[in-house]
Amino acid sequence: AQSVTQLGSHVSVSEGALVLLRCNYSSSVPPYLFWYVQYPNQGLQLLLKYTSAATLVKGINGFEAEFKKSETSFHLTKPSAHMSDAAEYFCAVSGTGNQFYFGTGTSLTVIP
Amino acid sequence: EPEVTQTPSHQVTQMGQEVILRCVPISNHLYFYWYRQILGQKVEFLVSFYNNEISEKSEIFDDQFSVERPDGSNFTLKIRSTKLEDSAMYFCASSERTPIVDEQYFGPGTRLTVT
Repeated sequence: AQSVTQLGSHVSVSEGALVLLRCNYSSSVPPYLFWYVQYPNQGLQLLLKYTSAATLVKGINGFEAEFKKSETSFHLTKPSAHMSDAAEYFCAVSGTGNQFYFGTGTSLTVIP
Repeated sequence: EPEVTQTPSHQVTQMGQEVILRCVPISNHLYFYWYRQILGQKVEFLVSFYNNEISEKSEIFDDQFSVERPDGSNFTLKIRSTKLEDSAMYFCASSERTPIVDEQYFGPGTRLTVT
């Protein structure tokens, strides 16, 4: 079985500060891991994914995430927050490739 | 840029009624999905559909749910007899190949309210 836990349902950062959104996974098979972003009144958009290649994954909008098997983590980071980063972020895991398990989401607020 | 569309954006129905949620996936995509998100909870996988049949479904997707691709463009989710606990945001998604290889593109969702 697969699941993800997102620590912190709300995160606030100042504009220009580091963004760190936490995700820990549980998987009985080698996992595929994803981060999605959701802007108000829109669908989820893929930020990046880990599919067993490089452990440091770079995505769109300057985000990246590192797969750490020893810590069962896949935290999302961005060196410098921008006002446009304010959104809901979801971590997801898949083992089979078709069935995705999402976390409860983290709402990111960027303070000017 | 191609996008997944969903109609209606908001549907209100009475308990026990049937509802059909509609989705138009991206035209060259072959894999289709439905997810739901109860307010304040996780986005939950319901079903995946490929080659005109269900490829995977979750335990949530019981006999009251069904999916169909009635023509070459629409992908529908039917709930036969709605319950209060079916109130949620329902997202449709599609991908050209499996989502491990290709990105799933999500629609904006349909908010279903069962009264």
